[in-house]
Amino acid sequence: GAVVSQHPSRVICKSGTSVKIECRSLDFQATTMFWYRQFPKKSLMLMATSNEGSKATYEQGVEKDKFLINHASLTLSTLTVTSAHPEDSSFYICSASLTGGGYEQYFGPGTRLTVT
Amino acid sequence: KQEVTQIPAALSVPEGENLVLNCSFTDSAIYNLQWFRQDPGKGLTSLLLIQSSQREQTSGRLNASLDKSSGRSTLYIAASQPGDSATYLCAVPPGGTSYGKLTFGQGTILTVHP
Repeated sequence: GAVVSQHPSRVICKSGTSVKIECRSLDFQATTMFWYRQFPKKSLMLMATSNEGSKATYEQGVEKDKFLINHASLTLSTLTVTSAHPEDSSFYICSASLTGGGYEQYFGPGTRLTVT
Repeated sequence: KQEVTQIPAALSVPEGENLVLNCSFTDSAIYNLQWFRQDPGKGLTSLLLIQSSQREQTSGRLNASLDKSSGRSTLYIAASQPGDSATYLCAVPPGGTSYGKLTFGQGTILTVHP
C-alpha cells in the first residue's frame, strides 16, 4: 500500500524557536496533503489542506502565520511551527490521498512536538 | 457542519469475543466512510474504506457496514485478540463531496485482555 513518512518522529524545542516537520509520500504522488493535530486522548482535528504549487487552505481558528505550510513537490509537504510555545505541544499527523478525493487517505506515523 | 460520534468511548472484552463498534454522522450525503486503527503514540492505519454505493466491506476478521440513510456505520471484529487493542476511529469527508478533508469521531478505545 501507499506509504507516508514524517520526519522527525519526535522533537523537543525551546519556546520561541521554529520547528519544521516534513511529510513525504514515498511511493506515490500526492497533489493534496492534509495536516492534522491531535491532543492527548482526543481525536484528530484538521489544521489545513496543502495543495502542491499553491497556498494552503487553513481551517477556521488555525493561524496561518504560525503554522506555515509549503507543498513544493508532489511528494513533500512541510509544516513549520513558528515561534513555538508550550501550548503548541501536540501530536501532528499528515495524510495524503492517491487522488484528489473519494479514496483512501494514508497517514504518516506522526510527529510528537514538545515545546519547553 | 458534519459531526461524527462513536460509541462506546471505551470497550474492554476478553479474548475471543466478537464485538461491534458504532459510528454515526449527521450529514448523510457522504461519498465514503473510512475506519482507522491508532496504536498509542502512533499514526493511523487504514482498516477499511466503504464507498457510499457499498453496504459493507470485509478484511479478514473485520467487517464494516454503512447505512447512509440512517447516518450509521458499524465495525464488527470477530474473534478478538489482544493484538486488536488500540483506538478505532471512523472518519468521513464533508457531506456532498468526495474531497478527502476528513472529520473524525472521538474514537473507541478497545482493550482485549487474554
